[in-house]
Amino acid sequence: QQQVKQSPQSLIVQKGGISIINCAYENTAFDYFPWYQQFPGKGPALLIAIRPDVSEKKEGRFTISFNKSAKQFSLHIMDSQPGDSATYFCAATINQAGTALIFGKGTTLSVSS
Amino acid sequence: NAGVTQTPKFQVLKTGQSMTLQCAQDMNHNSMYWYRQDPGMGLRLIYYSASEGTTDKGEVPNGYNVSRLNKREFSLRLESAAPSQTSVYFCASSEKPDYGYTFGSGTRLTVV
Repeated sequence: QQQVKQSPQSLIVQKGGISIINCAYENTAFDYFPWYQQFPGKGPALLIAIRPDVSEKKEGRFTISFNKSAKQFSLHIMDSQPGDSATYFCAATINQAGTALIFGKGTTLSVSS
Repeated sequence: NAGVTQTPKFQVLKTGQSMTLQCAQDMNHNSMYWYRQDPGMGLRLIYYSASEGTTDKGEVPNGYNVSRLNKREFSLRLESAAPSQTSVYFCASSEKPDYGYTFGSGTRLTVV
Protein backbone atom coordinates (compact mmCIF):
# COMPACT_ATOMS: atom_id res chain seq x y z
CA GLN A 1 0.00 0.00 0.00
CA GLN A 2 1.56 3.24 -1.16
CA GLN A 3 1.03 5.83 1.54
CA VAL A 4 2.35 8.82 -0.41
CA LYS A 5 1.55 9.12 -4.11
CA GLN A 6 3.52 11.62 -6.19
CA SER A 7 2.98 12.90 -9.72
CA PRO A 8 4.16 13.47 -12.36
CA GLN A 9 7.12 11.10 -12.61
CA SER A 10 8.96 13.58 -14.82
CA LEU A 11 8.49 17.20 -15.79
CA ILE A 12 10.05 19.49 -18.37
CA VAL A 13 9.62 23.23 -17.88
CA GLN A 14 10.95 26.23 -19.76
CA LYS A 15 13.24 28.61 -17.93
CA GLY A 16 11.11 31.19 -16.14
CA GLY A 17 8.07 28.92 -16.03
CA ILE A 18 6.23 27.43 -13.07
CA SER A 19 6.92 23.85 -12.02
CA ILE A 20 4.16 22.05 -10.12
CA ILE A 21 4.52 18.67 -8.42
CA ASN A 22 1.64 17.02 -6.60
CA CYS A 23 1.40 14.55 -3.74
CA ALA A 24 -1.44 12.76 -1.99
CA TYR A 25 -1.35 10.90 1.29
CA GLU A 26 -3.61 8.38 2.96
CA ASN A 27 -2.84 8.40 6.66
CA THR A 28 -4.79 11.18 8.39
CA ALA A 29 -2.42 10.95 11.36
CA PHE A 30 0.42 12.40 9.29
CA ASP A 31 1.25 15.91 10.49
CA TYR A 32 4.50 16.83 8.79
CA PHE A 33 5.00 17.16 5.04
CA PRO A 34 8.47 17.99 3.71
CA TRP A 35 9.90 18.21 0.21
CA TYR A 36 13.42 16.99 -0.47
CA GLN A 37 15.63 17.93 -3.43
CA GLN A 38 18.25 15.59 -4.85
CA PHE A 39 20.98 16.37 -7.37
CA PRO A 40 22.68 13.54 -9.32
CA GLY A 41 25.20 11.65 -7.24
CA LYS A 42 24.10 13.31 -4.01
CA GLY A 43 21.83 12.44 -1.13
CA PRO A 44 18.48 14.22 -0.80
CA ALA A 45 18.38 17.49 1.14
CA LEU A 46 15.46 19.20 2.86
CA LEU A 47 14.00 21.96 0.67
CA ILE A 48 10.83 23.14 2.40
CA ALA A 49 8.20 21.68 4.73
CA ILE A 50 4.69 22.37 5.99
CA ARG A 51 2.41 21.36 8.85
CA PRO A 52 -1.36 20.85 8.43
CA ASP A 53 -2.32 23.93 10.46
CA VAL A 54 -1.45 26.21 7.52
CA SER A 55 -2.56 26.05 3.89
CA GLU A 56 0.52 27.57 2.30
CA LYS A 57 4.19 28.15 3.02
CA LYS A 58 6.54 30.16 0.86
CA GLU A 59 10.32 30.28 0.89
CA GLY A 60 11.78 32.32 -1.93
CA ARG A 61 10.68 30.80 -5.24
CA PHE A 62 9.39 27.64 -3.56
CA THR A 63 5.83 27.33 -2.22
CA ILE A 64 3.97 24.43 -0.65
CA SER A 65 0.18 24.42 -0.94
CA PHE A 66 -1.66 22.12 1.46
CA ASN A 67 -5.25 20.86 1.29
CA LYS A 68 -6.06 18.93 4.44
CA SER A 69 -9.58 17.87 3.43
CA ALA A 70 -8.34 16.44 0.12
CA LYS A 71 -5.20 14.98 1.75
CA GLN A 72 -3.07 16.58 -0.93
CA PHE A 73 -0.10 18.93 -1.04
CA SER A 74 1.93 20.37 -3.86
CA LEU A 75 5.24 22.08 -4.56
CA HIS A 76 5.31 25.13 -6.81
CA ILE A 77 8.60 26.44 -8.16
CA MET A 78 8.19 29.93 -9.54
CA ASP A 79 10.53 31.36 -12.18
CA SER A 80 12.12 27.93 -12.66
CA GLN A 81 15.85 27.97 -13.41
CA PRO A 82 18.20 25.39 -14.98
CA GLY A 83 19.82 25.04 -11.54
CA ASP A 84 16.48 23.71 -10.23
CA SER A 85 16.89 20.63 -12.44
CA ALA A 86 16.88 17.80 -9.91
CA THR A 87 14.72 15.04 -8.48
CA TYR A 88 12.11 16.16 -5.97
CA PHE A 89 10.57 13.91 -3.33
CA CYS A 90 7.54 14.64 -1.22
CA ALA A 91 7.27 12.87 2.12
CA ALA A 92 5.01 12.55 5.11
CA THR A 93 5.14 11.30 8.67
CA ILE A 94 3.88 11.69 12.19
CA ASN A 95 6.26 14.28 13.56
CA GLN A 96 7.63 12.73 16.71
CA ALA A 97 10.96 11.27 17.72
CA GLY A 98 11.34 7.73 16.52
CA THR A 99 9.17 7.88 13.41
CA ALA A 100 10.36 7.65 9.82
CA LEU A 101 9.59 9.66 6.70
CA ILE A 102 7.56 7.92 4.00
CA PHE A 103 8.65 9.21 0.62
CA GLY A 104 6.85 9.49 -2.69
CA LYS A 105 8.39 7.98 -5.82
CA GLY A 106 10.01 11.21 -6.92
CA THR A 107 9.71 13.66 -9.81
CA THR A 108 12.60 14.38 -12.14
CA LEU A 109 12.47 18.04 -13.14
CA SER A 110 14.34 19.37 -16.14
CA VAL A 111 14.37 23.12 -16.72
CA SER A 112 15.38 23.98 -20.25
CA SER A 113 17.21 27.19 -21.04
CA ASN B 1 32.60 18.63 8.03
CA ALA B 2 29.66 17.46 10.13
CA GLY B 3 27.39 14.96 8.45
CA VAL B 4 26.72 11.35 7.55
CA THR B 5 29.53 9.22 6.14
CA GLN B 6 28.81 6.05 4.17
CA THR B 7 31.31 3.45 3.09
CA PRO B 8 31.95 2.09 0.55
CA LYS B 9 30.75 4.42 -2.22
CA PHE B 10 30.66 1.66 -4.84
CA GLN B 11 30.56 -2.12 -4.59
CA VAL B 12 30.06 -5.03 -6.95
CA LEU B 13 29.02 -8.34 -5.43
CA LYS B 14 28.38 -11.77 -6.84
CA THR B 15 25.07 -13.42 -6.08
CA GLY B 16 25.26 -15.13 -2.70
CA GLN B 17 28.08 -13.02 -1.33
CA SER B 18 27.65 -11.05 1.88
CA MET B 19 28.68 -7.54 2.79
CA THR B 20 28.10 -4.78 5.32
CA LEU B 21 27.39 -1.18 4.45
CA GLN B 22 28.72 1.20 7.04
CA CYS B 23 27.18 4.47 8.18
CA ALA B 24 28.40 6.95 10.79
CA GLN B 25 27.07 10.35 11.87
CA ASP B 26 28.73 12.99 14.00
CA MET B 27 25.72 15.17 14.81
CA ASN B 28 24.71 13.29 17.97
CA HIS B 29 21.36 12.36 16.42
CA ASN B 30 19.28 9.71 18.12
CA SER B 31 17.59 8.34 14.99
CA MET B 32 19.20 6.71 11.98
CA TYR B 33 17.70 5.24 8.82
CA TRP B 34 18.53 3.08 5.83
CA TYR B 35 16.73 3.69 2.52
CA ARG B 36 17.19 2.20 -0.92
CA GLN B 37 16.61 4.18 -4.09
CA ASP B 38 15.58 2.51 -7.32
CA PRO B 39 14.47 4.16 -10.59
CA GLY B 40 10.76 4.93 -10.49
CA MET B 41 10.42 3.58 -6.95
CA GLY B 42 11.58 6.54 -4.91
CA LEU B 43 13.17 6.12 -1.51
CA ARG B 44 11.99 3.05 0.35
CA LEU B 45 12.70 2.53 4.02
CA ILE B 46 14.58 -0.67 4.83
CA TYR B 47 15.21 -0.35 8.57
CA TYR B 48 15.50 2.43 11.08
CA SER B 49 16.76 2.92 14.60
CA ALA B 50 14.87 5.39 16.76
CA SER B 51 17.59 5.35 19.39
CA GLU B 52 20.68 3.43 20.40
CA GLY B 53 19.73 -0.17 21.11
CA THR B 54 16.50 -0.21 19.08
CA THR B 55 15.79 -1.14 15.48
CA ASP B 56 12.57 -1.43 13.50
CA LYS B 57 11.62 -2.79 10.10
CA GLY B 58 10.57 -0.48 7.33
CA GLU B 59 8.77 -1.15 4.08
CA VAL B 60 11.34 -3.49 2.48
CA PRO B 61 13.36 -5.32 5.19
CA ASN B 62 13.58 -8.77 3.61
CA GLY B 63 17.15 -9.85 2.87
CA TYR B 64 18.71 -7.28 5.19
CA ASN B 65 19.85 -7.04 8.79
CA VAL B 66 20.98 -4.00 10.74
CA SER B 67 23.07 -3.22 13.79
CA ARG B 68 23.04 -0.01 15.79
CA LEU B 69 26.56 -0.38 17.09
CA ASN B 70 26.46 2.80 19.16
CA LYS B 71 24.87 6.22 18.85
CA ARG B 72 27.10 7.16 15.90
CA GLU B 73 27.04 4.02 13.79
CA PHE B 74 24.28 2.08 12.03
CA SER B 75 25.28 -0.71 9.66
CA LEU B 76 23.27 -2.60 7.04
CA ARG B 77 24.17 -6.20 6.22
CA LEU B 78 23.28 -8.28 3.20
CA GLU B 79 23.76 -11.92 4.20
CA SER B 80 23.30 -13.46 0.75
CA ALA B 81 23.14 -10.82 -1.96
CA ALA B 82 20.62 -11.15 -4.78
CA PRO B 83 20.38 -9.22 -8.08
CA SER B 84 17.14 -7.63 -6.77
CA GLN B 85 19.28 -5.86 -4.16
CA THR B 86 21.09 -3.89 -6.85
CA SER B 87 20.33 -0.33 -5.78
CA VAL B 88 21.67 2.89 -4.32
CA TYR B 89 21.58 2.77 -0.54
CA PHE B 90 21.27 5.90 1.56
CA CYS B 91 21.82 6.28 5.25
CA ALA B 92 20.28 9.25 7.07
CA SER B 93 20.13 10.61 10.57
CA SER B 94 17.84 12.99 12.42
CA GLU B 95 16.80 14.08 15.86
CA LYS B 96 13.18 14.39 14.81
CA PRO B 97 11.58 14.55 11.34
CA ASP B 98 10.97 18.30 11.41
CA TYR B 99 14.62 18.94 12.23
CA GLY B 100 15.38 17.55 8.76
CA TYR B 101 17.11 14.40 7.72
CA THR B 102 20.82 14.53 6.89
CA PHE B 103 21.62 11.99 4.20
CA GLY B 104 24.92 10.44 3.30
CA SER B 105 26.15 10.47 -0.29
CA GLY B 106 25.03 6.90 -0.90
CA THR B 107 26.48 3.49 -1.73
CA ARG B 108 25.91 2.21 -5.26
CA LEU B 109 25.66 -1.57 -5.04
CA THR B 110 25.54 -3.91 -8.02
CA VAL B 111 24.84 -7.61 -7.55
CA VAL B 112 25.72 -9.77 -10.56
